[in-house]
Amino acid sequence: DAGVIQSPRHEVTEMGQEVTLRCKPISGHDYLFWYRQTMMRGLELLIYFNNNVPIDDSGMPEDRFSAKMPNASFSTLKIQPSEPRDSAVYFCASSLFLGGGNGGELFFGEGSRLTVL
Amino acid sequence: GEDVEQSLFLSVREGDSSVINCTYTDSSSTYLYWYKQEPGAGLQLLTYIFSNMDMKQDQRLTVLLNKKDKHLSLRIADTQTGDSAIYFCAEINQAGTALIFGKGTTLSVSS
Repeated sequence: DAGVIQSPRHEVTEMGQEVTLRCKPISGHDYLFWYRQTMMRGLELLIYFNNNVPIDDSGMPEDRFSAKMPNASFSTLKIQPSEPRDSAVYFCASSLFLGGGNGGELFFGEGSRLTVL
Repeated sequence: GEDVEQSLFLSVREGDSSVINCTYTDSSSTYLYWYKQEPGAGLQLLTYIFSNMDMKQDQRLTVLLNKKDKHLSLRIADTQTGDSAIYFCAEINQAGTALIFGKGTTLSVSS
């Protein structure tokens, strides 16, 4: 398997524009996570899905953020409208099951670096 | 809520040992993890320890767990320049539903 695939790798946009980040998890993984990484706040969990269903979105910063998982092989994270403080690296990760040793680890994509001017 | 704390930077010379420390809050965490992030890449699992263990060794890596103090450490023996990266400590949240990461420790190895 190619691993978790994210696109775009880099996005530069202007304040107020809509941003859509995409993720393809590893085939067969039941869990998908969206994290945001900044220098100030580190790695924050935004939302996660189990079998395509959003389970916990308490980390989504505000209503401008939304995430969907229409099928087992695709998820999107949308920011509308975007603001400069949304600038960060957004990671998608998937796992076979939660916790544990073998199989419970998270596999991360390479991230989408977002810059909002 | 859960919280994971790490020092932000560590600088060592090639060949020395590196020790990265972490404190966590949730005493019920069954597993604790160390992830590594190289520049421009996502995080990769480095090693993990089950909570009923005090120590785990894996080649150059030694993980020590002090459950009483909720303290986890990662020791890298014979540190190489290729070990330069950000190292994240992580615990499973109380609900057992997600990993909570520390802010990461940037390890800089000079030759």
